[in-house]
Amino acid sequence: GQNIDQPTEMTATEGAIVQINCTYQTSGFNGLFWYQQHAGEAPTFLSYNVLDGLEEKGRFSSFLSRSKGYSYLLLKELQMKDSASYLCARTTDSWGKLQFGAGTQVVVTP
Amino acid sequence: EPEVTQTPSHQVTQMGQEVILRCVPISNHLYFYWYRQILGQKVEFLVSFYNNEISEKSEIFDDQFSVERPDGSNFTLKIRSTKLEDSAMYFCASSGPLQGAGNTIYFGEGSWLTVV
Repeated sequence: GQNIDQPTEMTATEGAIVQINCTYQTSGFNGLFWYQQHAGEAPTFLSYNVLDGLEEKGRFSSFLSRSKGYSYLLLKELQMKDSASYLCARTTDSWGKLQFGAGTQVVVTP
Repeated sequence: EPEVTQTPSHQVTQMGQEVILRCVPISNHLYFYWYRQILGQKVEFLVSFYNNEISEKSEIFDDQFSVERPDGSNFTLKIRSTKLEDSAMYFCASSGPLQGAGNTIYFGEGSWLTVV
């Protein structure tokens, strides 16, 4: 199948850095999205990677290794408002047909 | 920033009734999607729509479901004869105007459907 695996929960303190790993099946892979989702709300786009390497957007960076079927989302200078679920999602040739992981709940503590 | 809007935000319906969920995608987008998320579970793809027809649908999207773009701005999801297990948050999404890499998929705020 297209299993997408990411840790269930991570806890970090305000100001720290957290790295959320995601592994996925490589067959048919086209791109990898990261979304943030607060409870009861819509997924909010954070980043996507199509090519290998690091994409940086302010406090958030995302990395992709296509050959390894691996991505990570790096959150720097954590703020309390960053407490949310972070969803890894892959897409194939059907670009908009996202296959989501179960999400990683990040808890930021004071 | 442009956004995808959905109505209603919440709907409670009796089992067996028909429900229509409405979405207004981002104005220059041409690709539209519906996803759902059952409480505590993953976000799941239902259907994609382009050029007034379904491009792809998941196994969830059976004859109970239909989509329509009745005019130039709205995109609807109809659920016929609702079942208890249809209770979920339904997200509309859009992307474009091109397909493929470089086109972010934006989600609406969701319509929370409760079937009783």
